[in-house]
Amino acid sequence: EMQLVQSGVEVKKPGESLKISCKGSGFSFTNYWIAWVRQKPGKGLEWMGIVYPGDSDARYNPSFQGQVTISADKSISTAYLQWSSLKASDTAMYYCARQGAAAPTGHWYFDLWGRGTLVTVSS
Amino acid sequence: DIQMTQSPSTLSASVGDRVTITCRASQTISNWLAWYQQKPGKAPKLLMYQASRLESGVPSRFSGSGYGTEFTLTISSLQPDDFATYYCQQYTSYSRTFGQGTKVEIK
Repeated sequence: EMQLVQSGVEVKKPGESLKISCKGSGFSFTNYWIAWVRQKPGKGLEWMGIVYPGDSDARYNPSFQGQVTISADKSISTAYLQWSSLKASDTAMYYCARQGAAAPTGHWYFDLWGRGTLVTVSS
Repeated sequence: DIQMTQSPSTLSASVGDRVTITCRASQTISNWLAWYQQKPGKAPKLLMYQASRLESGVPSRFSGSGYGTEFTLTISSLQPDDFATYYCQQYTSYSRTFGQGTKVEIK
């Protein structure tokens, strides 16, 4: 079964660092782009960025560039999203998602999603 | 960036109704459009891609159409499992953005 398994709930204070993970299984992880999508409470979906585990090439939504770092470790089929200094406004559910199998290079829709990691940032 | 505007924001309908959701792009996106369904507390689920291609396993009562800047998602006969929020997403090679969502509620 193809799946993306995300790390668990995080509760952090402003200014703290954080790295959350997304482990793929049941498919060739190194051959698919893996994206991160933010959903603030009661709000819509925002594409943050994407990484190709095969060579760790990462691309960012300009709105998130410099705010987060997206990376991957192909040896353990895991993608990461990290912050160096969290803000209260980072409170959200974060989903990882796999590039659609029929997606041409650069045209990324998402056909497999993780269950999400809830990040709460509060003093 | 390309803006995606869905209408309506909320839709009240009954089981068996034909339902149509519209998504408009601020500039042409060819047919690089996907539709997702999201239920409360769950991850989004892909329904359609390339505007009109049905994802494997998705019921045939879902269909999509459109090209350029205007797109529609149609549910031919609304079922109890279809009450959810629906999002469109454009995926041109230089930009990816979601619409704000359309909540389909029970009338």
